[in-house]
Amino acid sequence: NAGVMQNPRHLVRRRGQEARLRCSPMKGHSHVYWYRQLPEEGLKFMVYLQKENIIDESGMPKERFSAEFPKEGPSILRIQQVVRGDSAAYFCASSRLGTSYNEQFFGPGTRLTVL
Amino acid sequence: AQSVTQLGSHVSVSEGALVLLRCNYSSSVPPYLFWYVQYPNQGLQLLLKYTTGATLVKGINGFEAEFKKSETSFHLTKPSAHMSDAAEYFCAVSVSPGGYQKVTFGTGTKLQVIP
Repeated sequence: NAGVMQNPRHLVRRRGQEARLRCSPMKGHSHVYWYRQLPEEGLKFMVYLQKENIIDESGMPKERFSAEFPKEGPSILRIQQVVRGDSAAYFCASSRLGTSYNEQFFGPGTRLTVL
Repeated sequence: AQSVTQLGSHVSVSEGALVLLRCNYSSSVPPYLFWYVQYPNQGLQLLLKYTTGATLVKGINGFEAEFKKSETSFHLTKPSAHMSDAAEYFCAVSVSPGGYQKVTFGTGTKLQVIP
């Protein structure tokens, strides 16, 4: 029973390029959450998605960042025109249901480095 | 809005000594509370959680935490530290706006275990 999968594990981009981060939730999970962890900080909520719907994107920067969770395939976090401040670890989590008492299972993260 | 404060970004204990990691929360509604552990370059693993019921919660690897509403605290303890406990620990609070889980993390405490 595979856990939450994220790829790539490490991603290096130059300023101005695009970064695409992928997350495959656990089998049977239809709720996906994205978090960002800046160096020496805790995880910050970015966005919550269900299949084909963005439920809460209150933590997403207003520009350059977007997320989707299509009917088929993984969830994608896209960062356009990356800047050095985007360097961070990006974690995806999934849950079976959206209510509080359902545990979120975390993936291993994608570590983005912007040169 | 909810928030989490972890006192001490770094804690050092001797092997076999008591581990105490402090966490205080703020929430306008009854929260769910969590402790996660993160090993280097890995995702977060749930140690334990408090939802309702017994205020003393036991988790994996011998850890436990006590929910104290009057003190708005959820401190993590382990009677005897092991070298393998060296990791970063995150306290988190979850509430349910609109019926889904929104988790807020503390900034983390790095635990060092000295032989």
